[in-house]
Amino acid sequence: KQEVTQIPAALSVPEGENLVLNCSFTDSAIYNLQWFRQDPGKGLTSLLLIQSSQREQTSGRLNASLDKSSGRSTLYIAASQPGDSATYLCAVHQGGSEKLVFGKGTKLTVNP
Amino acid sequence: ETGVTQSPTHLIKTRGQQVTLRCSSQSGHNTVSWYQQALGQGPQFIFQYYREEENGRGNFPPRFSGLQFPNYSSELNVNALELDDSALYLCASSSLKAGANEQYFGPGTRLTVT
Repeated sequence: KQEVTQIPAALSVPEGENLVLNCSFTDSAIYNLQWFRQDPGKGLTSLLLIQSSQREQTSGRLNASLDKSSGRSTLYIAASQPGDSATYLCAVHQGGSEKLVFGKGTKLTVNP
Repeated sequence: ETGVTQSPTHLIKTRGQQVTLRCSSQSGHNTVSWYQQALGQGPQFIFQYYREEENGRGNFPPRFSGLQFPNYSSELNVNALELDDSALYLCASSSLKAGANEQYFGPGTRLTVT
């Protein structure tokens, strides 16, 4: 059974700091991995999708890496801003299945 | 391009009642998935519909059922509501193809069962 773990559960940083969010998964047989952002009480916004054959994806100040063999992904946020404050969720699309398996998320607070 | 929409935004029901939640998929997408997100948890997969047929189901009881219509919109029905059904219900649409299945989520429906 696929399990996804995100560390840390919460993170508070000053504005301008570079930071890394971690995601690990137990079964490496995945199609892809997605990082999402969720604002309080809202839906999920897709940030980055990494196919199983890829090592990383970049969008603006965000960079996500994937090491499928070790079951790890990281989301790097450069020059953090207060507007980045949200919960960040990692999800893997399990091979042979139609579902996304999510971690519990990392709640990020960027202080002005 | 129209995004994923869900209705209603909020809903309050009493234990034992039935509820129907609705989702309109993103333009060009033929697959809809439903997730339940309890407070402080990650979303849990309920089921997926592809071309009006159920195409995978998570660990949810039969009182959770769904439909997909020819225009690819979808409904989630929950019978005999329990207090633990209180959650944010998320709908995601995608275009099903092998190996790549980026899912786009709607804003969710907040269900409160009292």
